[in-house]
Order: sequence, then structure tokens, then C-alpha cells
Amino acid sequence: KQEVTQIPAALSVPEGENLVLNCSFTDSAIYNLQWFRQDPGKGLTSLLLIQSSQREQTSGRLNASLDKSSGRSTLYIAASQPGDSATYLCAVRAENNDMRFGAGTRLTVKP
Amino acid sequence: DAGITQSPRHKVTETGTPVTLRCHQTENHRYMYWYRQDPGHGLRLIHYSYGVKDTDKGEVSDGYSVSRSKTEDFLLTLESATSSQTSVYFCAINAGSGYTFGSGTRLTVV
Repeated sequence: KQEVTQIPAALSVPEGENLVLNCSFTDSAIYNLQWFRQDPGKGLTSLLLIQSSQREQTSGRLNASLDKSSGRSTLYIAASQPGDSATYLCAVRAENNDMRFGAGTRLTVKP
Repeated sequence: DAGITQSPRHKVTETGTPVTLRCHQTENHRYMYWYRQDPGHGLRLIHYSYGVKDTDKGEVSDGYSVSRSKTEDFLLTLESATSSQTSVYFCAINAGSGYTFGSGTRLTVV
């Protein structure tokens, strides 16, 4: 059974700092990995999707990397802003469509 | 976003009563999913559907049933609600480019 772990559970940084969120998974036989953002009381917003054959994806200030062999993905946020404060979730999808989520990292960016 | 709407957005119900949550999509996607989100557990799959009348169980399916009589609608039913089913419920579709989620239904069972 795939297990997805996100460390740290919470992170607080000053505005302008570059930061990295970590996601690890136990089974490297994945179809893709997706990073989401969730604001309090809201649904999940997709940020980046990395297919199993890809190493990274970029969108604006966000860059996600994938290392299947080591079971790891990172989400890099450049020049963080208070508006980036949210919970970030990673989810790993298997070939059979089974999708497993990490518990998330709650990010606070202080002005 | 991708035309997913969930209803109701909030509901309070009494223990032992049946409850049905609705997920509606406008884009004809084949796969639809119901998740629940609880503190300390993250998102867990309840049931999913891979077509009209085709459904299967997820990780936490006990106490829940689903139906999909039309491509656009996926219903989640709590046959007899219990306090342990107090949660936030999310519907999702697999849009090919990744999963897209609805805004959620906050259900409280008292």
C-alpha cells in the first residue's frame, strides 16, 4: 500500500524567503504526482502535475521535482509572499488510478 | 474550475438519518471520486466511479454507498449517519491533466 509523507507538518518563514516542501512515497511505481494548495475552509487547487517520466515542472514561482527511484518530490517556492500561506498537499497516483495523499504542510509566510 | 459543483455546501443532520451528497460535473469526465478529509488523516478515498453504473470501493467505504445513473452526477449516501462521519467531503474528477476538486461539503452529524 502506497504511503505518502510530507515533512514538515508546518512551516513558518518571513516574506521573501525561498523554501522547499518535501513529499516522500513508499512505492516508486507511480503514474504521476500532483501538488495542491488548500486554503482554510476551501477545496484543493491544483498547482503542478508531474508525470512519472518527467523530472520537474515549473509554474511561475513554483517548481516541483520528482525523483521516482528515491521516492521523493519537492515543491520549491521562490520569493515567498504572505498570499502563499496555505496548506500544500502532494498526491501520488498509481497506474490503477489509486491516488494517495500526504497529510500536508501548513505554510505561513509572515509579512 | 472544470465545472464541478457539490451540494449542499453545509449540512447538519442527526445520528441515524440518511444523507445524500451530490456532485455534478459539466465536462463528461469518466472518472469521479468521493473523498473525506479529517484532521490527522488527510484525504481518504470513499468510493469512485469509472462510468455510469460502474463504481468501486475505496479505502474507507464502510457506511457509505454511491450511485451514478448519469455521467454528470455522482451521489454519495450515508445510509444511517453516525458522528464518526462528521467530516468535509470532496468530490473530484480525473480530467486527464490531473485531479480537479469541488469546493467540498461540510457535514456535521449530531
